[in-house]
Amino acid sequence: ETGVTQTPRHLVMGMTNKKSLKCEQHLGHNAMYWYKQSAKKPLELMFVYSLEERVENNSVPSRFSPECPNSSHLFLHLHTLQPEDSALYLCASSQGFLDTGELFFGEGSRLTVL
Amino acid sequence: AQRVTQPEKLLSVFKGAPVELKCNYSYSGSPELFWYVQYSRQRLQLLLRHISRESIKGFTADLNKGETSFHLKKPFAQEEDSAMYYCALKASALIFGKGTTLSVSS
Repeated sequence: ETGVTQTPRHLVMGMTNKKSLKCEQHLGHNAMYWYKQSAKKPLELMFVYSLEERVENNSVPSRFSPECPNSSHLFLHLHTLQPEDSALYLCASSQGFLDTGELFFGEGSRLTVL
Repeated sequence: AQRVTQPEKLLSVFKGAPVELKCNYSYSGSPELFWYVQYSRQRLQLLLRHISRESIKGFTADLNKGETSFHLKKPFAQEEDSAMYYCALKASALIFGKGTTLSVSS
């Protein structure tokens, strides 16, 4: 498979559950990103990893915990979420962090928190 | 402050009509701007970047530093241009606007 793949595509969870979103890129890129896309809001950058090190953390609540075990994989661990966390979570990758400005996006994981 | 503003949530035009999707930015440094597009049931993808000064699918965008704008234009809209368009600014990271839905009808 090529490009950026996200699983699961849809997730429904209760506020006390623990779940994880997974992202995998097959492009040989060195930077990976998590964005949150909510209705009526711009795409919000959550986390950036470059060469497996976190380089950006935009004041995201601790109930979201990222993990980047290698340059091809990125996880977003979810714990005790709130209903307002329901959104589309997009993963993206780029050749390097802030190089060309071209991000390659996955199709997203649609999260619903009950 | 680093910000991208797309004032129109929805733009509806007829096929063959000119299109202009507005984008304004706020940035203290030398800006690099991009347009991303998301067609129905497809993922978000880069359409064009101002540095390249290219025309993609008939779309062009000129950076106007005086007006801090980067509007996307096409002289004759096609139905297949219907999509969500996002303007983005490269700052400390890539910052996106809220997006504008373009609807082209025949």
